[in-house]
Amino acid sequence: RKEVEQDPGPFNVPEGATVAFNCTYSNSASQSFFWYRQDCRKEPKLLMSVYSSGNEDGRFTAQLNRASQYISLLIRDSKLSDSATYLCVVLRTDSWGKLQFGAGTQVVVTP
Amino acid sequence: GAGVSQSPRYKVAKRGQDVALRCDPISGHVSLFWYQQALGQGPEFLTYFQNEAQLDKSGLPSDRFFAERPEGSVSTLKIQRTQQEDSAVYLCASSQDRGTEAFFGQGTRLTVV
Repeated sequence: RKEVEQDPGPFNVPEGATVAFNCTYSNSASQSFFWYRQDCRKEPKLLMSVYSSGNEDGRFTAQLNRASQYISLLIRDSKLSDSATYLCVVLRTDSWGKLQFGAGTQVVVTP
Repeated sequence: GAGVSQSPRYKVAKRGQDVALRCDPISGHVSLFWYQQALGQGPEFLTYFQNEAQLDKSGLPSDRFFAERPEGSVSTLKIQRTQQEDSAVYLCASSQDRGTEAFFGQGTRLTVV
């Protein structure tokens, strides 16, 4: 079983709609969490960090559920430019150097 | 430079050839990572440096893979006797310190023929 698991999608979302997806992690020592965005044939870029209390950045909301060991990302009012692969990333307290990536969730926003 | 720079951007190698991939991290960044990304997959960890010290190389797939960062800045990932399964995008990332945001370079796309 992979340490970080994501639904690969694709999630086909009409423009203006809301989409949400989760990521589960298996190691309880996981301490820090991030969502990265990766466009086709581009490098991953940090979208947002995920804090214990949940956090919002414009149209993006991230939540952390430590008890069930998952994080979520919600995108409101989807734009065409939100089409990308969203990578879930965890960092463990026992491995401060290693960012562990999920395989990504593909989101396709359609006109 | 302003970001993480990797070279070459593309490399085609004949099977059995040795290759060297270079990474110039953001100036002053202490932590440096190498990742391997196959098509349709997330980046897979290869190795991690804190300054010049290689603290974790658990992700290197075989002893044909070797990474160094001798002066705590530029890093080189070397692959000896390349195989077809080594074909992937090799991503380098740096961060100010461990646990902080990692910035990625554009990657080197390696194709072994």
